[in-house]
Amino acid sequence: DIQMTQSPSSLSASVGDRVTITCQASQDISNYLNWYQQKPGKAPKLLIYDASNLETGVPSRFSGSGSGTDFTFTISSLQPEDIATYYCQQYDNLPTFGGGTKVEIK
Amino acid sequence: EVQLVESGGGLVKPGGSLRLSCAASGFTFSSYSMNWVRQAPGKGLEWVSSISSSSSYIYYADSVKGRFTISRDNAKNSLYLQMNSLRAEDTAVYYCARGLKYSSSWRLDYWGQGTLVTVSS
Repeated sequence: DIQMTQSPSSLSASVGDRVTITCQASQDISNYLNWYQQKPGKAPKLLIYDASNLETGVPSRFSGSGSGTDFTFTISSLQPEDIATYYCQQYDNLPTFGGGTKVEIK
Repeated sequence: EVQLVESGGGLVKPGGSLRLSCAASGFTFSSYSMNWVRQAPGKGLEWVSSISSSSSYIYYADSVKGRFTISRDNAKNSLYLQMNSLRAEDTAVYYCARGLKYSSSWRLDYWGQGTLVTVSS
């Protein structure tokens, strides 16, 4: 199985800050990576697909980059409504998720 | 509007069985692969199983292989998960999610709200 290592596991930032989350795959997965947002008590929501493509309707402050084994998810200006846990997910083989990053407001 | 509504969760004893259902609407169900993803209390997401649009291809996570069976009824726009030999570690919210595949791209683009399965004596 392909392991996905996400870091940090949690972070606290101020409104307006730039937030960066990393995800590392245990082997080369090309750009076969998606990012999801999960707010407390809610189902996950797709934000980014194929490492860098913004899902329709998702605000442009969210972005993704990377290929191979190293990927980055960025919120360019953190907003109060972005409080959530974010997960990366690879689909090079059977899907696996990263452990998640909980984002809180400082 | 795409809607996925799970049902069938509940409390079951270890070793017992449960069948989850997911009712789909707002899209051509027979054209999409479907998936089950679960989340144990306070934990992260775990992909459980996938089924292709015509049921030709079926995949399972190692943690449920041999115990869970995914199926679908395209005439009823419904997805199912038969869970047997349940264990305490199967306790989780189970989400139904649509799989969108285009060329080499694949993602889970719509999710249901989930149904809670609790395995406890």
